[in-house]
Amino acid sequence: NAGVTQTPKFRILKIGQSMTLQCTQDMNHNYMYWYRQDPGMGLKLIYYSVGAGITDKGEVPNGYNVSRSTTEDFPLRLELAAPSQTSVYFCASRGGLGRSYEQYFGPGTRLTVT
Amino acid sequence: KNEVEQSPQNLTAQEGEFITINCSYSVGISALHWLQQHPGGGIVSLFMLSSGKKKHGRLIATINIQEKHSSLHITASHPRDSAVYICAVRGLRTGNQFYFGTGTSLTVIP
Repeated sequence: NAGVTQTPKFRILKIGQSMTLQCTQDMNHNYMYWYRQDPGMGLKLIYYSVGAGITDKGEVPNGYNVSRSTTEDFPLRLELAAPSQTSVYFCASRGGLGRSYEQYFGPGTRLTVT
Repeated sequence: KNEVEQSPQNLTAQEGEFITINCSYSVGISALHWLQQHPGGGIVSLFMLSSGKKKHGRLIATINIQEKHSSLHITASHPRDSAVYICAVRGLRTGNQFYFGTGTSLTVIP
């Protein structure tokens, strides 16, 4: 199993550009998450999904969109990139239906918006 | 105020020392997780616990639900333990969401 994979690893965007961060997991996990990590701050939840076709906002959803058409994939879309979206983005997944199974994290995507 | 507070923020230890990292939280939880973030950025889960104590090798995690406090101990610390250690909780009222501490940066000097 590859676990949770993310692409790209690094990206530089200009203000106003758009992009999609890809996330795929091969563990048949129902729950998937997108977090951002800013220097000196804890991970903040952007969006999450409890299964295919179901998504919900986290703490910091503004400026982002997600979709979950399959169990495996959970892409994060940035529309009209802004410097405030410069961050490291982590995708994570976990199994279980309502149980607290551990989260598995992807390697992260380092995004710079200039 | 953050739902999860960790202390210390930074910690430097000599190889072989016993290390303790603390985590306090302010919400009711269904589980608490300890994560390790390597210098390269990758995050791995070390422990998930909802009561008592767990041990993996030189790592020990404890939780006191009544006091809303958890500790991560590292015995016989080694330079390869140098990393950021993150405490995260899954709140009872937040369903599927987790709250994260800001992390404790540990450096173990040979």
